[in-house]
Amino acid sequence: DAGVIQSPRHEVTEMGQEVTLRCKPISGHDYLFWYRQTMMRGLELLIYFNNNVPIDDSGMPEDRFSAKMPNASFSTLKIQPSEPRDSAVYFCASRSRRQGKTGELFFGEGSRLTVL
Amino acid sequence: AQKVTQAQTEISVVEKEDVTLDCVYETRDTTYYLFWYKQPPSGELVFLIRRNSFDEQNEISGRYSWNFQKSTSSFNFTITASQVVDSAVYFCALSEASGGYQKVTFGTGTKLQVIP
Repeated sequence: DAGVIQSPRHEVTEMGQEVTLRCKPISGHDYLFWYRQTMMRGLELLIYFNNNVPIDDSGMPEDRFSAKMPNASFSTLKIQPSEPRDSAVYFCASRSRRQGKTGELFFGEGSRLTVL
Repeated sequence: AQKVTQAQTEISVVEKEDVTLDCVYETRDTTYYLFWYKQPPSGELVFLIRRNSFDEQNEISGRYSWNFQKSTSSFNFTITASQVVDSAVYFCALSEASGGYQKVTFGTGTKLQVIP
């Protein structure tokens, strides 16, 4: 079975540009999470969805960040306009409610974003 | 306040040595779950183990073992007879009942380097 698929794997952009990161969760998974990993702050939860509905976006750093999940097999994380401090690795993770609330997360390989 | 503390930023050991990765957590909940994830150089985080707050039994899985002590709020991870393939960043994580278990808080990780 395919795991969580993220694209692009690497993105280099200039400050002020729009960045869109994409995620395809594991088929059948009900929950989707976006995390950001930096050296300074480690792994931070940005937002998560349940059945395509955003449940908690309190981790989204500011209005420049937005996330959508138009269907069960696709989610995007958009940064507009991007800033150098947004440089990080962005992870998407999913899991199934059948695992229970405390089930393990399945992570993608991450999208490494560099904003110049 | 940091909820999950991994004080060891980096550890280097020679192959076949035993190594223990420390994890200290903080929570007011009586019901919670603790996790360990491994992040190999390829980038994606891989689930290793989950323990609930009511189960303090230590667990062993091959060369891996986990020591959960509520009295000291610790959930340490030991690798016996380390191998080069164990080189990775290891994350300890916590999910709490008060957060509906969906918010998984990660420590900042411990980078383990096993030298051949």
